[in-house]
Amino acid sequence: SQTIHQWPATLVQPVGSPLSLECTVEGTSNPNLYWYRQAAGRGLQLLFYSVGIGQISSEVPQNLSASRPQDRQFILSSKKLLLSDSGFYLCAWKQGHEQYFGPGTRLTVT
Amino acid sequence: DQQVKQNSPSLSVQEGRISILNCDYTNSMFDYFLWYKKYPAEGPTFLISISSIKDKNEDGRFTVFLNKSAKHLSLHIVPSQPGDSAVYFCAASVEYGNKLVFGAGTILRVKS
Repeated sequence: SQTIHQWPATLVQPVGSPLSLECTVEGTSNPNLYWYRQAAGRGLQLLFYSVGIGQISSEVPQNLSASRPQDRQFILSSKKLLLSDSGFYLCAWKQGHEQYFGPGTRLTVT
Repeated sequence: DQQVKQNSPSLSVQEGRISILNCDYTNSMFDYFLWYKKYPAEGPTFLISISSIKDKNEDGRFTVFLNKSAKHLSLHIVPSQPGDSAVYFCAASVEYGNKLVFGAGTILRVKS
């Protein structure tokens, strides 16, 4: 069966520091992968999605970037975090019409 | 622009009764609709979906209804259980699931 992992689970970072969040999927090959952010009291906002290695589509212009160095690995990065980057970051993969989510990373920028 | 709206931030229901969660959308090009359940500090869990060409889909205690003319869908949970207490997100698909647009969520509390 397919599983999706995210780490770290929680992260506290100062403003201006870099960020790297990792997502890996097991049990499937060449999945579509997604990064979402949920701000406090808000819905899920699609940040990036990827249909294959090295292929990244950005949905929201901001100081975040994404990369897909391997088939089942998706990385969310920032060179300099802002306070507004705080939130709950979720990775997801697609099967059919549905998307399935990982456990998430709680990022607090101080 | 909010293409998917969940106008009720919260809903409180007695155990054993029906919970009805509502969702409205504006984009007639959405091809699929989904409901997710989310507990605090966890990722959303897929519950049930419906194609835009259907008007009802049922899975156990969960039924989703779609009214395309009104651009409205609803999730019915019968009977409601305390473990159903969570945030429920409505989502709509474009490009055959390649992109999902989410509503802001409705907090459901089921009282025992």
